[in-house]
Amino acid sequence: DGGITQSPKYLFRKEGQNVTLSCEQNLNHDAMYWYRQDPGQGLRLIYYSQIVNDFQKGDIAEGYSVSREKKESFPLTVTSAQKNPTAFYLCASSAGQRNQPQHFGDGTRLSIL
Amino acid sequence: ELKVEQNPLFLSMQEGKNYTIYCNYSTTSDRLYWYRQDPGKSLESLFVLLSNGAVKQEGRLMASLDTKARLSTLHITAAVHDLSATYFCAVSLWGGADGLTFGKGTHLIIQP
Repeated sequence: DGGITQSPKYLFRKEGQNVTLSCEQNLNHDAMYWYRQDPGQGLRLIYYSQIVNDFQKGDIAEGYSVSREKKESFPLTVTSAQKNPTAFYLCASSAGQRNQPQHFGDGTRLSIL
Repeated sequence: ELKVEQNPLFLSMQEGKNYTIYCNYSTTSDRLYWYRQDPGKSLESLFVLLSNGAVKQEGRLMASLDTKARLSTLHITAAVHDLSATYFCAVSLWGGADGLTFGKGTHLIIQP
């Protein structure tokens, strides 16, 4: 079945450590996105990529980095510069057409040790 | 800066009742999306609304869009317990592949 796979489901980060969240899709979508969700809040856009080897900052990109070397993959690195990384991270993809919704993965829950 | 506001943010209602969730956005946009999220889960797409006056229905849920008023509504008819979830509206400013701006969500509890 086509879909979006995020891993791991749970992740713990130590102080000063960088961690990478994986996102893979087999929907053949050109566009991919990373969102952050805090308790009781809506989603906020971190980064997005409309095509391989290109990506743009979203509303809260500071302390995060991404790469888009393959169409299927859009990993997110939470760097030590992100001082409040505890959140639920959701990856999404879309065909890039306005009549198509974004499809979401099951998310990664990141906590600080 | 695009802002999306939902109200109410929390709603407790009884089965069989009708209610409406409102979504206002601050800047002209020609697309609006509704999603559902169950606790601890991902987001499920419900509706895509693309033009002024658009109305879509799926079961007990009906969504509409008024682009002139920058307002979308999600109406629940004869609510049932299975509809308990958090509902988000989201708006995109630019082209089809740009990121979405979400409202804070409406946490809906439907009691027997």
